[in-house]
Amino acid sequence: AQSVTQPDIHITVSEGASLELRCNYSYGATPYLFWYVQSPGQGLQLLLKYFSGDTLVQGIKGFEAEFKRSQSSFNLRKPSVHWSDAAEYFCAVAGISNFGNEKLTFGTGTRLTIIP
Amino acid sequence: DADVTQTPRNRITKTGKRIMLECSQTKGHDRMYWYRQDPGLGLRLIYYSFDVKDINKGEISDGYSVSRQAQAKFSLSLESAIPNQTALYFCATSDRVGGLATDTQYFGPGTRLTVL
Repeated sequence: AQSVTQPDIHITVSEGASLELRCNYSYGATPYLFWYVQSPGQGLQLLLKYFSGDTLVQGIKGFEAEFKRSQSSFNLRKPSVHWSDAAEYFCAVAGISNFGNEKLTFGTGTRLTIIP
Repeated sequence: DADVTQTPRNRITKTGKRIMLECSQTKGHDRMYWYRQDPGLGLRLIYYSFDVKDINKGEISDGYSVSRQAQAKFSLSLESAIPNQTALYFCATSDRVGGLATDTQYFGPGTRLTVL
């Protein structure tokens, strides 16, 4: 079964600083990987996704993520954060469920706080 | 208007009560999902539906049931609510591009349910 680990529960960065959120996955085949963002009081919104091809993926709001098969990682980055980036970020992997159907498995999330 | 709406947004109920959470979408998607979110656990899939006649259990379906009344409507029921069903519940939709694993999911704003 697939799994996702987000080792950082909470990260605080200064506005304008760079950001990297970590995500490690476990899956027996080539994974489909996603990053979603949840703003306060909102549902989740897709930031970016990786299926195949170029391992550096560009997303919305200036985010990018790099797939590293050797490290089983899919870390999310942004060169300069804005106060509006404060939110919770979820990494997800798609794979086969116990019932034999493909599904998304989410990590436990990383809460990002931005300080002035 | 939001593409995926959930009603109610907040609900407090008592142990043993029956409760229904409703989800409607205007995106024209065939696939709909119900998740619950608990602090520190991320999102977990309860049920999903590929079309009106196709409903599947997710990883934590015990204690829940669903009804797909139409392409646009997918309801989640708790027949006899218990306190450990206190959580944030999300509905999501996706379209038919590729298999389930590659679909982008679009989330509603969530329903916060408290069972006393």
